[in-house]
Amino acid sequence: ILNVEQSPQSLHVQEGDSTNFTCSFPSSNFYALHWYRWETAKSPEALFVMTLNGDEKKKGRISATLNTKEGYSYLYIKGSQPEDSATYLCATNTGNQFYFGTGTSLTVIP
Amino acid sequence: DTAVSQTPKYLVTQMGNDKSIKCEQNLGHDTMYWYKQDSKKFLKIMFSYNNKELIINETVPNRFSPKSPDKAHLNLHINSLELGDSAVYFCASSRRQLGYTFGSGTRLTVV
Repeated sequence: ILNVEQSPQSLHVQEGDSTNFTCSFPSSNFYALHWYRWETAKSPEALFVMTLNGDEKKKGRISATLNTKEGYSYLYIKGSQPEDSATYLCATNTGNQFYFGTGTSLTVIP
Repeated sequence: DTAVSQTPKYLVTQMGNDKSIKCEQNLGHDTMYWYKQDSKKFLKIMFSYNNKELIINETVPNRFSPKSPDKAHLNLHINSLELGDSAVYFCASSRRQLGYTFGSGTRLTVV
């Protein structure tokens, strides 16, 4: 089983602040890195899938980068809004197995 | 049109009972999964299954068994339920490992 680690575990930011968090994973046998947004009482929602070293993806105020050689990905949120409050999960997969990190819980304070 | 649907959403049952949770996906995905969310909110894989291969996490007790009548369904059957089985169970599906679509979860409570 692969160790996928996320930091920080939780984060509180003021509305309007920009923030970022980290997902680290073993770089061997890498296939893809996934980011999910998970609101309480809902199912995780896919944000990004990245496969190539140096990949950068953007969706609105949220963006992500990938470094497969050193085994990390960053998720950035620009100008955080209260509706961004959620848990952000990353996962990596090799073959048919997905391995999730424990998530970063983001709270945006109005 | 729910892409991955699980039923029931809530299940309360007594210790020792046998129960099933159903999962259906209408996305044409080739692989389906069951995850258990533990007390620390960590998603732990239990099974992954496509029409060719069933992969079982060896830490899953053999009281848990996946049953797939066809490619669109992967049901989770649990025998002799124990208190420690209480958790939220998520079904998911994917196509060619390009990201998951999750069901909304089933909260199982064993009393």
